[in-house]
Amino acid sequence: GENVEQHPSTLSVQEGDSAVIKCTYSDSASNYFPWYKQELGKGPQLIIDIRSNVGEKKDQRIAVTLNKTAKHFSLHITETQPEDSAVYFCAASMTSGGGADGLTFGKGTHLIIQP
Amino acid sequence: DGGITQSPKYLFRKEGQNVTLSCEQNLNHDAMYWYRQDPGQGLRLIYYSQIVNDFQKGDIAEGYSVSREKKESFPLTVTSAQKNPTAFYLCASSIWQHNEKLFFGSGTQLSVL
Repeated sequence: GENVEQHPSTLSVQEGDSAVIKCTYSDSASNYFPWYKQELGKGPQLIIDIRSNVGEKKDQRIAVTLNKTAKHFSLHITETQPEDSAVYFCAASMTSGGGADGLTFGKGTHLIIQP
Repeated sequence: DGGITQSPKYLFRKEGQNVTLSCEQNLNHDAMYWYRQDPGQGLRLIYYSQIVNDFQKGDIAEGYSVSREKKESFPLTVTSAQKNPTAFYLCASSIWQHNEKLFFGSGTQLSVL
């Protein structure tokens, strides 16, 4: 089955700096790559996603890039703010018919924004 | 407000006891899911249901059971057969079975007494 590796497990950056979280996946058939943000005591929330026919996607301060050849994708957060502090999960989906049951999640990155 | 409601927020289980975690959604979503989250681990799928009166096992279904009698409700029972039940349990939904975008509840922390 699919295997998703996520790095680093903890990332501390100064407020205003950029943060990058990286994930690799094992199955070249995977075609959907979402990122979820989980604040303390809450459930994860989808913040951005990308499909395999696109190399990059941006939404204000966040962006995701995908390298299908190398089988890795990354989350980029620019001009970090205190509210960006959270655990971020990447995931990959290889279900041919779509559906969240095919998602495999990484182990998460705890992002800490230092004031 | 539309969303997913999980209750209780905290739950304690005694040895040999079955406990049931509640999940209710008013998003009119067809598909619902249960995930288990352990510290420093990703989310692992326990069970999912794509339509009412139907559900399938996920990656770690042993020791758990579910029902889907109503579209809005997908309760999870942690049975005494689950020997390591302490974890954070997350319920989620998606619009329909072929949509990968998940909406999560706020979770239930289950601990063993």
